[in-house]
Amino acid sequence: KAGVTQTPRYLIKTRGQQVTLSCSPISGHRSVSWYQQTPGQGLQFLFEYFSETQRNKGNFPGRFSGRQFSNSRSEMNVSTLELGDSALYLCASSLTGTSNEQFFGPGTRLTVL
Amino acid sequence: AQKITQTQPGMFVQEKEAVTLDCTYDTSDQSYGLFWYKQPSSGEMIFLIYQGSYDEQNATEGRYSLNFQKARKSANLVISASQLGDSAMYFCAMRELGSGGYQKVTFGTGTKLQVIP
Repeated sequence: KAGVTQTPRYLIKTRGQQVTLSCSPISGHRSVSWYQQTPGQGLQFLFEYFSETQRNKGNFPGRFSGRQFSNSRSEMNVSTLELGDSALYLCASSLTGTSNEQFFGPGTRLTVL
Repeated sequence: AQKITQTQPGMFVQEKEAVTLDCTYDTSDQSYGLFWYKQPSSGEMIFLIYQGSYDEQNATEGRYSLNFQKARKSANLVISASQLGDSAMYFCAMRELGSGGYQKVTFGTGTKLQVIP
């Protein structure tokens, strides 16, 4: 069974640009969560999608948005990038969202110059 | 108040020795779950062990065990017989189940474990 995949793995953008990150969950998993990891703030929850609906949202500005498609693949979009958005963005999938395990992807490392 | 507190930013352990990584949590939910994850330098988060708030027995997974003390709100990870490959960041996390079964997961700041040969 293939694991969680995230594309791209690395990304360099400049301030003011926008970026879209993609996450493909494990086959059969319907819940996808997104996290931002930075040295200063640690791991912070961004949002969770289940069956194409956003169920939970962390404390991030509206520049951060996401969506989930009918095949459970999810995308995360960040508009008007700021230097502070430089981070490792991790996606995690689980069967239902209340499962005991979340399986994480390798992450997308975003650098904003 | 911090939901998850990991008070040890870094720890050293001798190879083949056991080590305990501390984690305390704060929640008013009756039903919650506690996790430990390992993050090697490659960046990928690896699930290690899970403990449900209603589980009476401490969770064990191979060399990993979770010392769950509900009244003290602690969920320490014990790694027995440390190996060099155990060197990594370790994160404690808590899942709280709100109404409707929606989950929210909060992570601690992590403990960097270094295993010494």
